[in-house]
Amino acid sequence: SQQGEEDPQALSIQEGENATMNCSYKTSINNLQWYRQNSGRGLVHLILIRSNEREKHSGRLRVTLDTSKKSSSLLITASRAADTASYFCASGPGGKLIFGQGTELSVKP
Amino acid sequence: DGGITQSPKYLFRKEGQNVTLSCEQNLNHDAMYWYRQDPGQGLRLIYYSQIVNDFQKGDIAEGYSVSREKKESFPLTVTSAQKNPTAFYLCASNQGASGRYNEQFFGPGTRLTVL
Repeated sequence: SQQGEEDPQALSIQEGENATMNCSYKTSINNLQWYRQNSGRGLVHLILIRSNEREKHSGRLRVTLDTSKKSSSLLITASRAADTASYFCASGPGGKLIFGQGTELSVKP
Repeated sequence: DGGITQSPKYLFRKEGQNVTLSCEQNLNHDAMYWYRQDPGQGLRLIYYSQIVNDFQKGDIAEGYSVSREKKESFPLTVTSAQKNPTAFYLCASNQGASGRYNEQFFGPGTRLTVL
């Protein structure tokens, strides 16, 4: 079963624009994580936000968490062609992460 | 270099064969995980291990088996009972309970194709 659902499933933008991806989850969480996957590669951890945090920044990434709505968003500012990848949210009890189906981001130069 | 390695990168299996995918980590992580990814989909958990000599089934364990005899190794066997094994397999690890289940580190993956 999928814990998270990302929205949109695919997003195409121009370089320099901002990209926003949303994630909803079903059960209570200790933290929510965002990962990036380049085509045919393993996942790379981007950022972790704990359940008692509402917003977190890391470079051009901004993550928000609304536990009352069981949702999170990932904002990538000033996007670059190199940001083209699939982005996944993941959460779950203990160490058993459950991943959403991902948002496929395409940044055109 | 610290990290997770998976081998082989590509694997071809004939129907009826068992195959074993290797996963090794030198990060001194307690917990290790195996996921399956189908095209355009997210990751689904096959098996996970929180400590040596112990492992638990994930959401799609049928047709798979694992062992955890050493902390750094967590091989996955895809048995002939797995009816649709063609997929991308990813191994991951983290500190487990001692690290309050922080981020997972992933290997590069093994692409398995059934001929």
